[in-house]
Amino acid sequence: ETAVFQTPNYHVTQVGNEVSFNCKQTLGHDTMYWYKQDSKKLLKIMFSYNNKQLIVNETVPRRFSPQSSDKAHLNLRIKSVEPEDSAVYLCASSYAGAGQLYFGEGSKLTVL
Amino acid sequence: AQSVTQPDARVTVSEGASLQLRCKYSYSGTPYLFWYVQYPRQGLQLLLKYYSGDPVVQGVNGFEAEFSKSNSSFHLRKASVHWSDSAVYFCAGTQVVGQLTFGSGTRLQVYA
Repeated sequence: ETAVFQTPNYHVTQVGNEVSFNCKQTLGHDTMYWYKQDSKKLLKIMFSYNNKQLIVNETVPRRFSPQSSDKAHLNLRIKSVEPEDSAVYLCASSYAGAGQLYFGEGSKLTVL
Repeated sequence: AQSVTQPDARVTVSEGASLQLRCKYSYSGTPYLFWYVQYPRQGLQLLLKYYSGDPVVQGVNGFEAEFSKSNSSFHLRKASVHWSDSAVYFCAGTQVVGQLTFGSGTRLQVYA
């Protein structure tokens, strides 16, 4: 049963455009995450965020930014996409202090 | 550096055969360890987790894993696989709760 919802599931765009992915969780969790999964299925954490702290993976380019209105939502904005941004972006949530994450189905980005 | 390694990129087994997917970890202490599964075009789903106690942990769909401190391993096992088990399996670990590090994944192909 899906409790972490991502939109859109697919997005095709051109280099230089701005893209946003939305994520909402209905589990009552207080921490949310964005992961990037490349074409080889490798997973890399981009951001983790709760009401108190944003942790940014230092390797994430500045054109990526998380946006949160409340603890149930964490969106991902890419200001000016580049070809290497083509990937699946996975949103997840958890309770702070818990190890188990709950994932959405992913948002696949293709940059032409 | 803290890491999780899955040495086998692909594993192919026949339906009904037993299965072991390997995972090695490198942490200074005892980490929290997880196995996740990703079916095509879906997010990751938790199979099982180890925090402490009995080194053999049971998961969903007949999967189990055994924690070994001496071998720094957390291998996943199943006594008899089904074709629907075909998916990508990820081992993950953390000592800082919520900051999961994923292995590179093992693609399991079950053939009839």
